[in-house]
Amino acid sequence: KQEVTQIPAALSVPEGENLVLNCSFTDSAIYNLQWFRQDPGKGLTSLLLIQSSQREQTSGRLNASLDKSSGRSTLYIAASQPGDSATYLCAKTDNYGQNFVFGPGTRLSVLP
Amino acid sequence: DTEVTQTPKHLVMGMTNKKSLKCEQHMGHRAMYWYKQKAKKPPELMFVYSYEKLSINESVPSRFSPECPNSSLLNLHLHALQPEDSALYLCASSRGGLSEQFFGPGTRLTVL
Repeated sequence: KQEVTQIPAALSVPEGENLVLNCSFTDSAIYNLQWFRQDPGKGLTSLLLIQSSQREQTSGRLNASLDKSSGRSTLYIAASQPGDSATYLCAKTDNYGQNFVFGPGTRLSVLP
Repeated sequence: DTEVTQTPKHLVMGMTNKKSLKCEQHMGHRAMYWYKQKAKKPPELMFVYSYEKLSINESVPSRFSPECPNSSLLNLHLHALQPEDSALYLCASSRGGLSEQFFGPGTRLTVL
């Protein structure tokens, strides 16, 4: 059974801190991994996509890495802001693109 | 147009009603998806249409019926739903089955 986990489940930091969110998966048959943010009651916003042949992707203050051998991905947020407060989810798809599995998410609060 | 749109935003229905959810994208994507998300849980994949071919999550009950009239439009027909089907229903699209997914804002469904 595919399983994606995320730690921590919740995180509260003061504004300006750099932080790391973790995503782990048990199935090594990964084609790509995608990070999303979700605001309460809203849809998902795509942040970064890393293909299995890549090791990292960057967008602004966000950097995501992928280590297939250890089954891990991290999302690094630099200089956090209150507007970054949301739930962050990672999701992986297998080589067939038929199984897109989400982790449970990390709920982030950035305090002003 | 870089959006996935969903209608209606909110839907309240009785257990004997028949209703439909609609999803549309004009990004030329050839894969579209339906997800179900319960409160404080990650989205769960229900159906995938990739190049007009349907893939089903075997655990989805038959009271949910997807339809893809063309590559830009995806419907989810609902019939004889149960109160436990109340959830946020999310639609997503991607260029192909292995590409980055873009999500709509969701339809909040309440079954009385």
